[in-house]
Amino acid sequence: DSGVTQTPKHLITATGQRVTLRCSPRSGDLSVYWYQQSLDQGLQFLIQYYNGEERAKGNILERFSAQQFPDLHSELNLSSLELGDSALYFCASSVAGQAGNTIYFGEGSWLTVV
Amino acid sequence: GQQLNQSPQSMFIQEGEDVSMNCTSSSIFNTWLWYKQEPGEGPVLLIALYKAGELTSNGRLTAQFGITRKDSFLNISASIPSDVGIYFCAGLGGAQKLVFGQGTRLTINP
Repeated sequence: DSGVTQTPKHLITATGQRVTLRCSPRSGDLSVYWYQQSLDQGLQFLIQYYNGEERAKGNILERFSAQQFPDLHSELNLSSLELGDSALYFCASSVAGQAGNTIYFGEGSWLTVV
Repeated sequence: GQQLNQSPQSMFIQEGEDVSMNCTSSSIFNTWLWYKQEPGEGPVLLIALYKAGELTSNGRLTAQFGITRKDSFLNISASIPSDVGIYFCAGLGGAQKLVFGQGTRLTINP
């Protein structure tokens, strides 16, 4: 158990709909990362937050947005869903900003768009 | 942007053989991380490297942080069936952005 918690674990929704994925980082971690992994693909970096503020942005679509709340949990919002959005969405967390930083991943949220 | 080249993309070996994979980059990283991912699960951290030249072991796994800070390798000795999976290298650079390699898919024939 990495200590990073993601919900829901599985989600099936229709095209055009909107979903929210939730992540609770490890206790004490200030930084949260979101990654997308399509079938048999690598991990595509979407976005990173540190202590509530956006730190880095990757290949995140305009239909997607994220935020980190004061209690440090994060949500990834996916809207106007398309079939191609079906993927595993991972959240990861780290202390960040310190030497010896290590990043741990949650078990992911499976999103299936039908 | 920063990119990692991980090789080989796939490996088919016999049980008991040693495995070696590596990652190279045109950019300098402050930290190298090696993960293993099994189908439908999240990447699990295997080894973390924080200093250039650092050599770290975790059981049958050994990884090194290259002197130039632009590369890293992972070795697995005496492979066993449960080593099957996809191994990812990841580099952590400025602004704490974690960049992943494309992965090495390891298949083991018993």
